[in-house]
Amino acid sequence: QVQLQESGPGLVKPSQTLSLTCTVSGDSISSGGYYWSWIRQYPGKGLEWIGYIYYSGSTYYNPSLKSRVTISVDTSKNQFSLKLSSVTAADTAVYYCAREVTVDPNYYFDYWGQGTLVTVSS
Amino acid sequence: ENVLTQSPGTLSLSPGERATLSCRASQSVSSSFLAWYQQKSGQAPRLLIYGASSRATGIPDRFSGSGSGTDFTLTISRLEPEDFAVYYCQQYGSSRTFGQGTKLEIK
Repeated sequence: QVQLQESGPGLVKPSQTLSLTCTVSGDSISSGGYYWSWIRQYPGKGLEWIGYIYYSGSTYYNPSLKSRVTISVDTSKNQFSLKLSSVTAADTAVYYCAREVTVDPNYYFDYWGQGTLVTVSS
Repeated sequence: ENVLTQSPGTLSLSPGERATLSCRASQSVSSSFLAWYQQKSGQAPRLLIYGASSRATGIPDRFSGSGSGTDFTLTISRLEPEDFAVYYCQQYGSSRTFGQGTKLEIK
């Protein structure tokens, strides 16, 4: 059974960098065939895809966040991470990590972490 | 960006009734790239349907998906108490976007 678990600070000050890590169990990030994504959900329930990383290190980010986002991978620890810089209160959300199936022609998120609430406040 | 608009925003039905949820895209979506998720309070979204009409593993056959182009539908044939939740559609394209959700509540 594949499991994903987010970890990181629940409170970040404005203008600072939000950093989260997702630890994957039950599957190896290095096995390929999947994108490893970050998605966030605002308090009003809207879902926003942030970006993904492939085991090789290649990334693709939501154009609306691209200037502030960095996603990295540590295959030795079977983890991938998110950094979001220059945060404001608008970045307050529940952050999920998720596995995206990329078996052509289907693309979808089949496993999600439980989510972690990050609040941006001084 | 391909904007997904779901309707209705809230759907009030009784157990045993049929639910029909709509997802309309601002640009055409390949059927292979349209998925539906269910989210219950305090939980992560759960995959229900992928490829517009294929049920994910373990999803009961009362859930079905259909549609093509810009109009897609999730149908729950006979509502069970555990089906009352929020439902999201999602598309894969140059980016990934989600609809704003339909809340299915007990009437």
